[in-house]
Amino acid sequence: EIYLVESGGGLVQPGRSLKLSCATSGLNFSASAIHWVRQAPGKGLEWVGRIRGKPNTYATAYAASVRGRFTISREDSENTAFLQMDGLKTEDTAVYYCTTLLESWGQGALVTV
Amino acid sequence: YELTQPPSVSVSPGQTARITCSGDALPNQYAFWYQQKPGQAPVLVITKDSERPSGIPERFSGSSSGTTVTLTISGAQTEDEADYYCQSADSSGDQRVFGSGTKVTVL
Repeated sequence: EIYLVESGGGLVQPGRSLKLSCATSGLNFSASAIHWVRQAPGKGLEWVGRIRGKPNTYATAYAASVRGRFTISREDSENTAFLQMDGLKTEDTAVYYCTTLLESWGQGALVTV
Repeated sequence: YELTQPPSVSVSPGQTARITCSGDALPNQYAFWYQQKPGQAPVLVITKDSERPSGIPERFSGSSSGTTVTLTISGAQTEDEADYYCQSADSSGDQRVFGSGTKVTVL
């Protein structure tokens, strides 16, 4: 069975930084793309960005709303992906999910700015 | 790029609910559908326009026609009350996007 677990969420002041981690198990991690999706309180799902796996040279892509402020990375030896969030704004307040965008989703990490 | 969904759909138990999702790139990009209940992570109910993942009831089906994809719940049950989101990619395939979501009420 595949598991994804986010950690690192919390309360942060505007303008500051926060880094989320997504630890996985049961996944062919190095070959898998990992996406980050967020959901502001009472709002819909918003795609944040993704990092592809080794076969696709770890290519990244970001939503316009976070491009230049957020960075997605990964450490295949630890089966873990990361979301580095810099220059946080109040509108970044949301639950952040890591996911394969298929059946596998984490439980979410709350970030409050 | 945007995907357009109706805000809400209401259906009586046992009846059929249909949720549409429209987007210009849908003829060339697969669509995916997710069910989300309050306080829970989304659950994939349809993948690649019309495929049903393992464990998803047969009453959930998906179809595609031109710039519109449709999620159909045949014989809706009270436990199907949830928010439903479509997801796809823009024409480049680099940017993923979610629809605004449709609240399905079964009563």
